[in-house]
Formats: sequence, C-alpha cells, structure tokens
Amino acid sequence: EIVLTQSPGTLSLSPGERATLSCRASQSVSSSYLAWYQQKPGQAPRLLIYGASSRPTGIPDRFSGSGSGTDFTLTISRLETEDFAVYYCQQYGSSPVTFGQGTRLEIK
Amino acid sequence: QVQLVESGGGVVQPGKSLRLSCAASGFTFSTFAIHWVRQAPGKGLEWVAIISNDGGIKYYADSVKGRFTISRDNSKNTLFLQMNSLRAEDTAVYYCAQSSGYYYPAFDIWGQGTMVTVSS
Repeated sequence: EIVLTQSPGTLSLSPGERATLSCRASQSVSSSYLAWYQQKPGQAPRLLIYGASSRPTGIPDRFSGSGSGTDFTLTISRLETEDFAVYYCQQYGSSPVTFGQGTRLEIK
Repeated sequence: QVQLVESGGGVVQPGKSLRLSCAASGFTFSTFAIHWVRQAPGKGLEWVAIISNDGGIKYYADSVKGRFTISRDNSKNTLFLQMNSLRAEDTAVYYCAQSSGYYYPAFDIWGQGTMVTVSS
C-alpha cells in the first residue's frame, strides 16, 4: 500500500497570500494517478487537480498542481476566503486507492 | 443534473448489518467503476471498496474485507454496500464516488454522504 503523507498538518495564512501544500508518497506514483481534493465542513470532497497538474473545468486557475515520483505540491496562488478548507491528496495508480491525512488551511 | 445520492445510513448495534444504496442520475452510470469512501467523525478520507463497471471485479480495504460486500445494479443505476458484523470503528459518513470519464480515474462525482453510527 502506498502511504501518502501531507504537510503541514495545518497551515495558517491570510487572504491574498500564497499557499503551498505538500504530499509525499512512500513509493513512486504515476503522475496520471495523483489527485487533489478540497473539502469544506459538511460537504463532500471536490476534485481540484487530476493527473498531478490538470484542472477540471470550473476550477479557478489560482489552483495549480505539480510534482512527480514521490513528491507532489498543490499551490494556491492568491488565497480567497472560500479557499479555507481541508485538502487531501489521493493516489489511484496502485491498489488500494489511498488518501493523505489532509492539510487544514485556516485563516490567520 | 449529474448526481449520486446515498441512503440507508442510521444507528445500528455492534455486530448487526446495514445496507447502503447509492442512486445515480444524469450520466451513464454503467460506464465506469465506482467506489465507496468513508470518513470517520473528524478524520480523513478512507477508501473502502471498488466495483468494476460490469460488477465482475471487486476490491476491498483490509479493514472491511470479509465483512462488507459491494454490488451494483446497472439496470437501476444503483450501487450497494452490504455491511455485516459492524464495529464501532465503522462509524463514519459513507460516500459513493465515481469518475465521469472526463478526468478518469479521479473521482469527480461524489454523493452527499450517508452517516452510519455503530453503537450499543
């Protein structure tokens, strides 16, 4: 099983700042199978990034993903109020599907 | 409107059974595999099970293997999760999730979740 470790656990920033979230895998992950999700309280997760760096239709371009192998990054270029949430990375290249433990992005 | 709607959650005693359903609408349900993902209160996401598009292939997380059974009825656009021998640690919100195909295999369609509480 591929273990995904996200850091930091909690990130405190202000609107307008840049956020950098990390996801490190215990084994190499095919970039085609690394995704990022955003989850707000009481809501289901929402797909933000797939294939490590591609954005689905409707996701603002302030969200970007990068990385390969075992190290992946989600960057939010200029934080808006609605971006404060929990973010999870996920790999689907190896069975079983696994998620990181999440990074909580909170308003400073 | 593309959506997945879960139902069947509730409060159940340890050792008992519960069957969850997930009804799909607004898209071709039978094209792709579909998953169950759960989230214990205040915790992260945990993948539970997957079933292939035709129902012929199924995989489970070790934590539920031998106790949970995933199935689907493509004629009714519905996914099921039969949960037996429930434990307190199975308490969670259960989501069904699927790829629409546009961003395969990432999960871009999620239900709203159904809460399962295992307690005496």
